[in-house]
Amino acid sequence: GQQLNQSPQSMFIQEGEDVSMNCTSSSIFNTWLWYKQDPGEGPVLLIALYKAGELTSNGRLTAQFGITRKDSFLNISASIPSDVGIYFCAGLEVWGAQKLVFGQGTRLTINP
Amino acid sequence: NAGVTQTPKFQVLKTGQSMTLQCAQDMNHNSMYWYRQDPGMGLRLIYYSASEGTTDKGEVPNGYNVSRLNKREFSLRLESAAPSQTSVYFCASRDRAANEKLLFGSGTQLSVL
Repeated sequence: GQQLNQSPQSMFIQEGEDVSMNCTSSSIFNTWLWYKQDPGEGPVLLIALYKAGELTSNGRLTAQFGITRKDSFLNISASIPSDVGIYFCAGLEVWGAQKLVFGQGTRLTINP
Repeated sequence: NAGVTQTPKFQVLKTGQSMTLQCAQDMNHNSMYWYRQDPGMGLRLIYYSASEGTTDKGEVPNGYNVSRLNKREFSLRLESAAPSQTSVYFCASRDRAANEKLLFGSGTQLSVL
């Protein structure tokens, strides 16, 4: 099946720093989604991207749908302690059952 | 409150025991999904139900069965639990017709000893 490669797997940063993570795929997707998971909770949707080249912001978060439809990135500006968690990218299959395929996740740790 | 409800929150089983994880959504979504989450593996699809009355295998279906009882409920059953099934299980739902995003329950942490 399709796979997404998400990097980095983990990040250790200082509060106030900017964060960047990305996902790449060997296949194209129609939709890219970015989720955040807090400890003990299910993933919560942060940003949805529907068109190649689309750049979307949600507060301090900015995500882009790559022009080739095979990649996406998420940036977090001026990180704060509540940004800690695991971030997942997900791509919606173009064909068939249109399942969501998830990346392995990026674990973000912030030192105050 | 509208959303996806999973029960139980935590469960410990002995090898060979059986159990059913329950999931219900009240958003009238057509599609429902079961994922498992393991460290470094992300979320892997076990089974999904594109609509009421249909179920299909995902990426890691072995050792599991599912039932789409009605539009609201989608259960996951472990007939004979194995230690390799120790994981966190998430149910999710989505309305494909409206291209709505996947919404997750809060998870079930399962340990098989």
